[in-house]
Amino acid sequence: LAKTTQPISMDSYEGQEVNITCSHNNIATNDYITWYQQFPSQGPRFIIQGYKTKVTNEVASLFIPADRKSSTLSLPRVSLSDTAVYYCLVGERTSGTYKYIFGTGTRLKVLA
Amino acid sequence: EPEVTQTPSHQVTQMGQEVILRCVPISNHLYFYWYRQILGQKVEFLVSFYNNEISEKSEIFDDQFSVERPDGSNFTLKIRSTKLEDSAMYFCASSDPGRGVAKNIQYFGAGTRLSVL
Repeated sequence: LAKTTQPISMDSYEGQEVNITCSHNNIATNDYITWYQQFPSQGPRFIIQGYKTKVTNEVASLFIPADRKSSTLSLPRVSLSDTAVYYCLVGERTSGTYKYIFGTGTRLKVLA
Repeated sequence: EPEVTQTPSHQVTQMGQEVILRCVPISNHLYFYWYRQILGQKVEFLVSFYNNEISEKSEIFDDQFSVERPDGSNFTLKIRSTKLEDSAMYFCASSDPGRGVAKNIQYFGAGTRLSVL
């Protein structure tokens, strides 16, 4: 069973752009890709969602290639408060069953 | 801003006891979900619920688990006979797929920490 994988951790400095990639080989045909931010002892918080190509909102951009087997979350200028774990979420259909799969999570540490 | 609320924030129980975790989804949402997160691990899907029935469930969601929408506002997760390995953070989420082009954005509650002793 293919996993939805992300780099375990990343370090960045304040003001830099951070790109986090998620590999999701089994994404369901009609499903969207959603990214979440999670702080310790809190629930996942919605960042951005897309289906294909590029989506941008006030906090992030999401890049999705044509085959949709991966996606990249881009945080333009990170600050210390962006230190958190970032997850992608996709729907996968395998053997006739459908379920939501979170990526393995990327722990981003922003340094001053 | 509307939010998903979960109660209690922390539940301690003895192994073998039944627990019910409660959630109030966002009021106009139609889809409801439960997830769990074991300490230090990623969030795992348990079940989705729509139109008063389970629409999808994972292999984790076995006969020990059940969900219910007992009234127009609450959505509950029951674990019949808790095991030590059920200790985790349980998150409820809700979504409204009809909101424009953004399909099925799931909004999560703050979670209930379940500790099975």
